[in-house]
Amino acid sequence: AQSVAQPEDQVNVAEGNPLTVKCTYSVSGNPYLFWYVQYPNRGLQFLLKYITGDNLVKGSYGFEAEFNKSQTSFHLKKPSALVSDSALYFCAVRGYGNNRLAFGKGNQVVVIP
Amino acid sequence: SQTIHQWPATLVQPVGSPLSLECTVEGTSNPNLYWYRQAAGRGLQLLFYSVGIGQISSEVPQNLSASRPQDRQFILSSKKLLLSDSGFYLCAWGGQFNTEAFFGQGTRLTVV
Repeated sequence: AQSVAQPEDQVNVAEGNPLTVKCTYSVSGNPYLFWYVQYPNRGLQFLLKYITGDNLVKGSYGFEAEFNKSQTSFHLKKPSALVSDSALYFCAVRGYGNNRLAFGKGNQVVVIP
Repeated sequence: SQTIHQWPATLVQPVGSPLSLECTVEGTSNPNLYWYRQAAGRGLQLLFYSVGIGQISSEVPQNLSASRPQDRQFILSSKKLLLSDSGFYLCAWGGQFNTEAFFGQGTRLTVV
């Protein structure tokens, strides 16, 4: 079975400070990892993905994520948070050959002006 | 380019009434299609996914069913809604295993 854990319910960060949203995963074989963002009453928007290659992946809106195989983690980062980054962030994983895309419970990010 | 349409955006239905939510995808063929439910604005629960016409996998036993009558059409249904069916329903499509899924704008269902 594949699963994702996002251990923190909410992340508070001051505007301009670095933002980190944590994600760990469990999957058989090589993982395909994804980050999404959701604004209120909207669908999910794709931010970035790790498939293979460089462990540091860059995505939309200045976000990046680092894949760490030994720690089975895929943390989302942004060097300088904006108030407009306040939203719900989801990590997702899919194992090779598996059609299911499993999501974590989501992290609410609040950027304080 | 590919687009996904999901409707309606909001729906208020009485307990015991039927449900039909529709999702269509344009600009791609033979997509994987998914229905998710999001309760209380948080975690996503995978309800159904489909890899082809008439092929439906159900993730959890529930009061809902799904159908895929055409390649790019995915329908979520219920014969009799329960209060617990209230939530935010999201349709998504995706390609092969290493591709991301793309989401519709969601349907806010309130069962009263």
